[in-house]
Amino acid sequence: DTAVSQTPKYLVTQMGNDKSIKCEQNLGHDTMYWYKQDSKKFLKIMFSYNNKELIINETVPNRFSPKSPDKAHLNLHINSLELGDSAVYFCASSHYQENTQYFGPGTRLTVL
Amino acid sequence: QQPVQSPQAVILREGEDAVINCSSSKALYSVHWYRQKHGEAPVFLMILLKGGEQKGHEKISASFNEKKQQSSLYLTASQLSYSGTYFCGTEISGSNYKLTFGKGTLLTVNP
Repeated sequence: DTAVSQTPKYLVTQMGNDKSIKCEQNLGHDTMYWYKQDSKKFLKIMFSYNNKELIINETVPNRFSPKSPDKAHLNLHINSLELGDSAVYFCASSHYQENTQYFGPGTRLTVL
Repeated sequence: QQPVQSPQAVILREGEDAVINCSSSKALYSVHWYRQKHGEAPVFLMILLKGGEQKGHEKISASFNEKKQQSSLYLTASQLSYSGTYFCGTEISGSNYKLTFGKGTLLTVNP
């Protein structure tokens, strides 16, 4: 029944490590997003894919690389993790022209 | 550019009303409202489109003044379940449906 799911829910890792977060949606949407929410709750878009094509690429360090193997999946790989990467990362999905976005439960990343 | 929300926080007693405002310096195509409870994901409430169409929640209403690039969310007869942080997300034409969110308004409803 889960609409947008993310794994893992929590991720604790050391600086310099590489980690991935996975997202899947079963809503039949064609557009998926990654957002970062910092400690002050500021919700900022990072990337968006429409039908596996990157359509939004905000000013994000090259260490962040999204990949969309198909319309239902969007993954986020982060290289050389830094302290400032600590945040909650939300995946979301929508129909491209309707743009009502449905958010996943979030992944809380803590970099030590 | 990030929309500006006001107030930053509001405290209500159950049954009271509240208005949350969102303003942008750019011409908007649509405004989206979300509510986020602590430790949870943002949940869609309302979308207001240029031209007056709106879709969303039964017990929450909103307005969109296209000329002033402002939107307001009206919460009437508040319930305890309304507590949370409310975010407006603004969309400008030609942005590939990108939403830019405000800093949020923390609403607390007390018994």
